[in-house]
Amino acid sequence: DTGVSQNPRHKITKRGQNVTFRCDPISEHNRLYWYRQTLGQGPEFLTYFQNEAQLEKSRLLSDRFSAERPKGSFSTLEIQRTEQGDSAMYLCASSPTDYGYTFGSGTRLTVV
Amino acid sequence: SQQGEEDPQALSIQEGENATMNCSYKTSINNLQWYRQNSGRGLVHLILIRSNEREKHSGRLRVTLDTSKKSSSLLITASRAADTASYFCATDQQGAQKLVFGQGTRLTINP
Repeated sequence: DTGVSQNPRHKITKRGQNVTFRCDPISEHNRLYWYRQTLGQGPEFLTYFQNEAQLEKSRLLSDRFSAERPKGSFSTLEIQRTEQGDSAMYLCASSPTDYGYTFGSGTRLTVV
Repeated sequence: SQQGEEDPQALSIQEGENATMNCSYKTSINNLQWYRQNSGRGLVHLILIRSNEREKHSGRLRVTLDTSKKSSSLLITASRAADTASYFCATDQQGAQKLVFGQGTRLTINP
């Protein structure tokens, strides 16, 4: 396990459908983050887990978005009733305490 | 909303020249980090500088931090074509548990 793994790499979905993304962090990292990035912009924070506890959620994370990290290992991000505005790169990162993040390669979502 | 403001938004230089990117932020921080992102890929952590540090080096990278001016700079010396990427500063804010990213500088190194 040498990095953060995200699946799928690409997802094309029709508006109104539900999608789920998975993130497998570096195993010894207790912190896990989800970010969203649109073209030409920096990543925007969505949510943060320390172990299995979801400690912070952005106001960007509407009630259509839900994230879980069962047992403090992998995490899933689900978007219900997708909208065209949800099209973006969804990035997962993990870190040990007080250090730089290791990012995955992201999941690019296109809502048509 | 994003806290960091990067300057310039885009920078194009010749291979071998030095590239300097600047970042300003608004709140008190624990540390400031710089990341690189190649097109369509994830971000790669480059360097972290803590609030009590003023300068840090890593290979061809030099980062400075001025907490009184709430600003940082990233210098890449002897640039190479492979340095072409977007560079982001990110602040670890006091009292928060997340990094806040700027909008990035798009760096192009011309061979």
